[in-house]
Amino acid sequence: GEDVEQSLFLSVREGDSSVINCTYTDSSSTYLYWYKQEPGAGLQLLTYIFSNMDMKQDQRLTVLLNKKDKHLSLRIADTQTGDSAIYFCAVSSNDYKLSFGAGTTVTVRA
Amino acid sequence: DVKVTQSSRYLVKRTGEKVFLECVQDMDHENMFWYRQDPGLGLRLIYFSYDVKMKEKGDIPEGYSVSREKKERFSLILESASTNQTSMYLCASSLRQGGQPQHFGDGTRLSIL
Repeated sequence: GEDVEQSLFLSVREGDSSVINCTYTDSSSTYLYWYKQEPGAGLQLLTYIFSNMDMKQDQRLTVLLNKKDKHLSLRIADTQTGDSAIYFCAVSSNDYKLSFGAGTTVTVRA
Repeated sequence: DVKVTQSSRYLVKRTGEKVFLECVQDMDHENMFWYRQDPGLGLRLIYFSYDVKMKEKGDIPEGYSVSREKKERFSLILESASTNQTSMYLCASSLRQGGQPQHFGDGTRLSIL
């Protein structure tokens, strides 16, 4: 199946930008997602991008896709304490199944 | 907003018991999914269903079964619970069309003693 890799931890100062990176192996991946999980909760869909796009911006969130390198990133501008959470990258090449990374734990320090 | 509701946030059961986890969605989604989440492993798909009474095995179906008698409800069944099934279980739903994102419930933290 699809392999999706993320770094496990990221520490960022409040007010700085955070960049979370993700790589995947299947070049036919068509749909790519970012989810956020706060402690004790389920996954909240943050944003998603189709493979025919290079970038998507939604308020403080910017998603960049490099199809050649099979690399996806999520940038959070002006990071706040409420952004502390686990962020999951997920990719899909068909209608049903998502392959998830292990998640990146983001810690925002004052 | 899409609402996916899981019947319990926390559940404690004993080994050998038959355990039912229930999930209901209110957006008329065709697809429903059950995942388990373990630290460092991300989410792993147990089963999914693309229509009433239809089901397909995911990556780790052993020890589990599912039931989808109505479109809005998808149940996960642990036939004979074991301690290695202690985990966080997440239900999700989506529209059938390609590219539609999955929407998740709040999860059930299940402990098997």
